[in-house]
Amino acid sequence: NAGVTQTPKFQVLKTGQSMTLQCAQDMNHEYMSWYRQDPGMGLRLIHYSVGAGITDQGEVPNGYNVSRSTTEDFPLRLLSAAPSQTSVYFCASRGWFNTEAFFGQGTRLTVV
Amino acid sequence: DAKTTQPPSMDCAEGRAANLPCNHSTISGNEYVYWYRQIHSQGPQYIIHGLKNNETNEMASLIITEDRKSSTLILPHATLRDTAVYYCIVRDQTGANNLFFGTGTRLTVIP
Repeated sequence: NAGVTQTPKFQVLKTGQSMTLQCAQDMNHEYMSWYRQDPGMGLRLIHYSVGAGITDQGEVPNGYNVSRSTTEDFPLRLLSAAPSQTSVYFCASRGWFNTEAFFGQGTRLTVV
Repeated sequence: DAKTTQPPSMDCAEGRAANLPCNHSTISGNEYVYWYRQIHSQGPQYIIHGLKNNETNEMASLIITEDRKSSTLILPHATLRDTAVYYCIVRDQTGANNLFFGTGTRLTVIP
């Protein structure tokens, strides 16, 4: 049971480039979410999904897009990367009636 | 979701109990208290949660005051591997019930 898998683990982008951060879970969880964590700060919610085909914005959604075509996958897209998006990104999943959220190991993104 | 207040940092001697306080004076009746921790730069890890009764599991104990305005996470015998940032979060269990993280308490276990 792999849990929540994020790829890549590290990425360097140039300003204006686009990329997709991948998140996959094998626990058949309905709820998935993306967070970013800047140095010395707690995690901030970017986008979340309560099931396939349903997504919604969190606290800091600007500059990010998401989609949820399957239960397992919840990719996060940066359309035009900016230095302000340099951060560590975490994906999480939880079953609808489960109280424990499971987090991936993070993607460390640097935009230069 | 109700906001929480935690001390920014604490130290604890190895082998002693670590008591991490959390204030959540605006908590509402249907909101639970959750604790997560983040070791180094890993993804957060669930520890325990409760509504109004004290809870215990293999990792920790959670003591919630009778008025539910504050709680304490207890690690009974802290080890060096418990050095982490501990987050206290309150949320209800309806709807999407997202987790909103503050800055937490950085616990350092000292040999």
